[in-house]
Amino acid sequence: KAGVTQTPRYLIKTRGQQVTLSCSPISGHRSVSWYQQTPGQGLQFLFEYFSETQRNKGNFPGRFSGRQFSNSRSEMNVSTLELGDSALYLCASSPGITGGPGTGELFFGEGSRLTVL
Amino acid sequence: AQSVTQLDSQVPVFEEAPVELRCNYSSSVSVYLFWYVQYPNQGLQLLLKYLSGSTLVKGINGFEAEFNKSQTSFHLRKPSVHISDTAEYFCAVSLRYAGGTSYGKLTFGQGTILTVHP
Repeated sequence: KAGVTQTPRYLIKTRGQQVTLSCSPISGHRSVSWYQQTPGQGLQFLFEYFSETQRNKGNFPGRFSGRQFSNSRSEMNVSTLELGDSALYLCASSPGITGGPGTGELFFGEGSRLTVL
Repeated sequence: AQSVTQLDSQVPVFEEAPVELRCNYSSSVSVYLFWYVQYPNQGLQLLLKYLSGSTLVKGINGFEAEFNKSQTSFHLRKPSVHISDTAEYFCAVSLRYAGGTSYGKLTFGQGTILTVHP
């Protein structure tokens, strides 16, 4: 079974630009979550989508947005990039339903490393 | 709101020695508990999890953790470490909603860098 795939793996942008990151979850998983990882703030939750609906959201400004498609693939977008947006962006998938041995467990991709100059 | 504190930012240890990585959490509601490992330039991999039942949980690569509800701790242990265990380890919690639902949101600790020396 293929794991979580994130593209691109590395990218460089300049301040003011926007960026779109893509995530393909494990087959059959309906929930996709996004996290930002930085040396200073650590791992922080951005948002979670389930069946194309945002079900949970972290404390990030509106410049950070996401969506999920009918095939469960997800994208996140950051507009008007700032230097502080430089980070590793991690996507995670899960079945997204209650009960069973997989409850609460997230499967992470290798991340998209964004550098903002 | 919930929070996770990993008490050691770095833990150096010699190969074949035992190791304990400490994690305390705070939450007003029931939680699920997890330990993840991150190798350089990679994503996070689940080591083990506590959902309910036995407070001693065993994971991959010989790791185990004990859930202590009274002390709100979930410390990770390994009796004998290997060079390949060198990585960053993250403790995390997710809220246990009514009915057992957890909505993909993990709150992570700041991480503990485990360095195993030969």
